[in-house]
Amino acid sequence: LAKTTQPISMDSYEGQEVNITCSHNNIATNDYITWYQQFPSQGPRFIIQGYKTKVTNEVASLFIPADRKSSTLSLPRVSLSDTAVYYCLVGDTGGFKTIFGAGTRLFVKA
Amino acid sequence: DTEVTQTPKHLVMGMTNKKSLKCEQHMGHRAMYWYKQKAKKPPELMFVYSYEKLSINESVPSRFSPECPNSSLLNLHLHALQPEDSALYLCASSQDRSGLAGGDTQYFGPGTRLTVL
Repeated sequence: LAKTTQPISMDSYEGQEVNITCSHNNIATNDYITWYQQFPSQGPRFIIQGYKTKVTNEVASLFIPADRKSSTLSLPRVSLSDTAVYYCLVGDTGGFKTIFGAGTRLFVKA
Repeated sequence: DTEVTQTPKHLVMGMTNKKSLKCEQHMGHRAMYWYKQKAKKPPELMFVYSYEKLSINESVPSRFSPECPNSSLLNLHLHALQPEDSALYLCASSQDRSGLAGGDTQYFGPGTRLTVL
């Protein structure tokens, strides 16, 4: 399984765009990249998933360069309610073995 | 319905007690997971069931015993736990895309906050 590395914490202000980058140098050909958000005392919530290039949904965008050794989660115009821990996971399509990295604690200030 | 439910929300038990955690999903998912999460740490995978069969056991102590009675239900039986087992226990489910293209997204329940005295 590819190991992931993320910044431990980030601070932002309301209304700003936040970009969180995850490194996964040993990503395998079959691996997808998935991001989850977790609030205190709640289960992680799926944000976005991608394999290559760019993926966008109603809450975030995911940018994956051609070599796929990193990925960037982009949260447009964050609000106070986006304060949470964000996890980047890398795993293959048929495997269940899920390893969460340390995650990035995002703190959004007014 | 994209919800995974877990009961109870909170559980306090002594080291000699036997208790069970329950998880339920009605999304037709065929893979179900148990995770343990300590404060300010990421979730750690404990068990995975695929099509009601135990697929992964991450060397979890035998005082934790999982059970999957059917494709919608997952239990975690607890016996003779230690205070260090106090944590948030998370259940998740996924479609199980074994052999298919596309990532398998996990849906998590709210967790059971377990305290062992």
